[in-house]
Amino acid sequence: DAGITQSPRYKITETGRQVTLMCHQTWSHSYMFWYRQDLGHGLRLIYYSAAADITDKGEVPDGYVVSRSKTENFPLTLESATRSQTSVYFCASSESGAPVYGYTFGSGTRLTVV
Amino acid sequence: AQKVTQAQTEISVVEKEDVTLDCVYETRDTTYYLFWYKQPPSGELVFLIRRNSFDEQNEISGRYSWNFQKSTSSFNFTITASQVVDSAVYFCALSVYGGSQGNLIFGKGTKLSVKP
Repeated sequence: DAGITQSPRYKITETGRQVTLMCHQTWSHSYMFWYRQDLGHGLRLIYYSAAADITDKGEVPDGYVVSRSKTENFPLTLESATRSQTSVYFCASSESGAPVYGYTFGSGTRLTVV
Repeated sequence: AQKVTQAQTEISVVEKEDVTLDCVYETRDTTYYLFWYKQPPSGELVFLIRRNSFDEQNEISGRYSWNFQKSTSSFNFTITASQVVDSAVYFCALSVYGGSQGNLIFGKGTKLSVKP
């Protein structure tokens, strides 16, 4: 199906474990983003990517790793999960870095770290 | 630095009432974009509107309208004759052209509850 999909939709993991959240888009958009949503904070940018093999940090990158070997995929890895990383994670894509177009978001991944 | 403030954390109205959600932004850039997103209880983020800094025309789309005023750095959102289906969290967001690769800076959101 066309669009932007995130998986899994829900995930429970233990403190210290590595976990990867997947994001896949079918539009060949150059730009992709990872945000986390927390009560009282709105959405905050974790990492973004301007193209394959080009990534950069956002506002809250600590504890996260990203890669972008293919344009359509932008996985987010928590190397050693902590309880503070319990959150809802949204992936987004955009045709251009210039904010002329609306950003399209995935449905989100609700991650709980116990 | 850019910032978006949504001072109203929660609003509760009765169906058919009009309601305005406030959004105040801060930026020193002259070229920027403002957005509103809706997040219904199901959790997805739904794009509602985009406005660039050179277009101060107000916009109306059905029961929704947006008032953009550069003089007060505000981009307020009004729902006329609210309905239960309007219950959601609404986010205002700002993006600066050329800044941080078009990063969207979100306000903390306003939770709107429309009661029947």
